[in-house]
Amino acid sequence: GDSVTQTEGLVTLTEGLPVMLNCTYQSTYSPFLFWYVQHLNEAPKLLLKSFTDNKRPEHQGFHATLHKSSSSFHLQKSSAQLSDSALYYCALSEANSAGNKLTFGIGTRVLVRP
Amino acid sequence: NSKVIQTPRYLVKGQGQKAKMRCIPEKGHPVVFWYQQNKNNEFKFLINFQNQEVLQQIDMTEKRFSAECPSNSPCSLEIQSSEAGDSALYLCASSQGPWAEQFFGPGTRLTVL
Repeated sequence: GDSVTQTEGLVTLTEGLPVMLNCTYQSTYSPFLFWYVQHLNEAPKLLLKSFTDNKRPEHQGFHATLHKSSSSFHLQKSSAQLSDSALYYCALSEANSAGNKLTFGIGTRVLVRP
Repeated sequence: NSKVIQTPRYLVKGQGQKAKMRCIPEKGHPVVFWYQQNKNNEFKFLINFQNQEVLQQIDMTEKRFSAECPSNSPCSLEIQSSEAGDSALYLCASSQGPWAEQFFGPGTRLTVL
């Protein structure tokens, strides 16, 4: 079945430094990949999604590139902000699946310190 | 910002009691998803609908969970006989189509005592 593996646990970094969260996946079919961000006591919100034409999606300074050869969709940002402190989830949906249910990774908590 | 409405925000039940939560998807979104997020923040897909029809669902072998999305009424997720292990955040999401972006509601936090 589908699975998503991402950087586990807590990532602590200093404001202004780069962020990289790893995400690799296993899927039977060609999946769509997503990054969701969840701030404390809030709903998950879509941060990025993969494109089929190899464009690199960007949002709020974050970007990610789908590499089918390595089954990866790592999340990066060149300069972390305090407001980036949140839970980050990598998720996939299979293109051949009816209904487009999301399979989430375990989540990575990011804490940005001044 | 998401306009998915979930009620109630908090639900406290005793073991064996029914627990029912509701979701109003964003206007124009015919596809609705239910996910369970446990205390370790792990997500579990439960079921999704397109209009009133079930698209996918987990194998609800326990048969304690039921869900529906009736026409012109909120969608609902009900647990017939709550257990302590059901304590979690239940998230509803909606989308314009099966492959479109999913917008999440704030969730219903169920606590089973």
